[in-house]
Amino acid sequence: ILNVEQSPQSLHVQEGDSTNFTCSFPSSNFYALHWYRWETAKSPEALFVMTLNGDEKKKGRISATLNTKEGYSYLYIKGSQPEDSATYLCASNTGNQFYFGTGTSLTVIP
Amino acid sequence: DADVTQTPRNRITKTGKRIMLECSQTKGHDRMYWYRQDPGLGLRLIYYSFDVKDINKGEISDGYSVSRQAQAKFSLSLESAIPNQTALYFCATSDLPAGDRVGDTQYFGPGTRLTVL
Repeated sequence: ILNVEQSPQSLHVQEGDSTNFTCSFPSSNFYALHWYRWETAKSPEALFVMTLNGDEKKKGRISATLNTKEGYSYLYIKGSQPEDSATYLCASNTGNQFYFGTGTSLTVIP
Repeated sequence: DADVTQTPRNRITKTGKRIMLECSQTKGHDRMYWYRQDPGLGLRLIYYSFDVKDINKGEISDGYSVSRQAQAKFSLSLESAIPNQTALYFCATSDLPAGDRVGDTQYFGPGTRLTVL
């Protein structure tokens, strides 16, 4: 069982603020790191998958980085909007199994 | 139509009853998964299947069984439900790594909310 940790657990920001959160994972048995966005009453949806140390991915105002040597990934949201409010999950994929963190709940206040 | 469907969406049952949760997908993926989500905990893997003949236990398989009836169908059974199996259950599928595609991005169904009284 892998211990994947996310911080902070929850976050409230004002519309227009930029924010970031962290996912920590064991660097051994690493295959890929996934980020998902989970809106209330919906299913988690994939944002990014990263495999290589130093990987950076971007989708609109959201971006992510990966450090496999020290076992962490950051997710950044630039100019947060109310529609960004959701829980952001990360998962470490060992090649056979996924291990999810408990998520960071983001609320963007208009 | 949704690519990954789950039935039922909500179910209330009593301790000791047998329950089956069904998952169907039209994505053509070989890999399918069952997770449960509890408040304050991350998604935890119950079982996964990489093809029709391949079934594997996940992190928390005790008290559950699965059946992969076809590439598109993966069912989760609780043989004798107990209250601590009350949770939100998700089915997911993923594709295979190919070329530059890492694969294993999970596509989730809408979830089944199960309550065991």
